[in-house]
Amino acid sequence: NAGVTQTPKFRILKIGQSMTLQCAQDMNHNYMYWYRQDPGMGLKLIYYSVGAGITDKGEVPNGYNVSRSTTEDFPLRLELAAPSQTSVYFCASSYSRDPGDFNTGELFFGEGSRLTVL
Amino acid sequence: QKEVEQDPGPLSVPEGAIVSLNCTYSNSAFQYFMWYRQYSRKGPELLMYTYSSGNKEDGRFTAQVDKSSKYISLFIRDSQPSDSATYLCAIPRGTSGSRLTFGEGTQLTVNP
Repeated sequence: NAGVTQTPKFRILKIGQSMTLQCAQDMNHNYMYWYRQDPGMGLKLIYYSVGAGITDKGEVPNGYNVSRSTTEDFPLRLELAAPSQTSVYFCASSYSRDPGDFNTGELFFGEGSRLTVL
Repeated sequence: QKEVEQDPGPLSVPEGAIVSLNCTYSNSAFQYFMWYRQYSRKGPELLMYTYSSGNKEDGRFTAQVDKSSKYISLFIRDSQPSDSATYLCAIPRGTSGSRLTFGEGTQLTVNP
């Protein structure tokens, strides 16, 4: 049972380069998320998706883009990488039955992608 | 004001100690409160969640909510070296509550 799979696990980018972080889940979850984690800063939501074809911004979306063409995949695109985007990126998924059903807050996380921009 | 705040530590205790981890939150309308545990170089995983006020116990772990002071706590009894991790409090936000706002996380080390 794979759960949430992120690739690559590590990547070094030069300033101005672009790349895509891949995320796939096999749990048939409708919600997917991208968070970034910086030391001592907790996790900050970048983008999230409530289903295929629907995405929305989180707290820190600038410099990133996402798409959700299938239930399983939620790639995160970094355009024109900057040193401020050096971080650990986590993809997560969850299942939500109904709006307002707050008892579905368990997120299942991948193991993270460590990105360094030099 | 941040929606949820947490003392980042680090916290270092001897094996067998009782550990208290704490968060404060800003909005009295919050009802669900969660604790995630994150081992080094791994993704967070749900440890416990509580609804409204009161205590919830699961083995050596107890989650407590004090809505009057907007304070949530996680207690670990008889702490073990395997409890060494970062603990993050989280509050569900958004229409379905599935978007989580996390505290900064407290790094705990339990020394044998």
